[in-house]
Amino acid sequence: AQSVTQPDIHITVSEGASLELRCNYSYGATPYLFWYVQSPGQGLQLLLKYFSGDTLVQGIKGFEAEFKRSQSSFNLRKPSVHWSDAAEYFCAVAGTASKLTFGTGTRLQVTL
Amino acid sequence: DTAVSQTPKYLVTQMGNDKSIKCEQNLGHDTMYWYKQDSKKFLKIMFSYNNKELIINETVPNRFSPKSPDKAHLNLHINSLELGDSAVYFCASSQTDYYEQYFGPGTRLTVT
Repeated sequence: AQSVTQPDIHITVSEGASLELRCNYSYGATPYLFWYVQSPGQGLQLLLKYFSGDTLVQGIKGFEAEFKRSQSSFNLRKPSVHWSDAAEYFCAVAGTASKLTFGTGTRLQVTL
Repeated sequence: DTAVSQTPKYLVTQMGNDKSIKCEQNLGHDTMYWYKQDSKKFLKIMFSYNNKELIINETVPNRFSPKSPDKAHLNLHINSLELGDSAVYFCASSQTDYYEQYFGPGTRLTVT
């Protein structure tokens, strides 16, 4: 069965600092991987996705993620965090029937 | 134009009542989903429909009954509401063979 682990429940960074959110997945075949962001009281917005090809994928809002098959990881990065990036971030893997399995999320707090 | 919309946004009701949540998407997608997000922000799929046909039915009490009158709509009816049903329910949609899902704003259900 597919699964996703986000080891960091809560991360605090200063505005302007770099960010890396960790995601590890378990899936038997080639995974389809996603990062979603959820602002307080809002729905989930797709940040980026990996299906195949280039292992470094670019997304919206200046985010990128790198797929590393050897480490079963798909970490999300941003070079310089803005206060508006404070939100909950979810990593997800798609399996059969397009079923998305989500990690438990990482709450990002940005200090000014 | 809202891509995936849900009504109502908030729903407060008493135990034992029956309630419905409606979802509509105008993206032309053929697959729709219901997710439940608990108080710890954990997201779990409940159902998915493809072209009005039930595809995924996770371990959900049979008090929950989804209905898809057409490809653009997926409603969720809940009978005999219980305290544990309190959560945020998200609708999502995708196109077959495209695994990225687009989420609605959520419906916060509170059972008292």
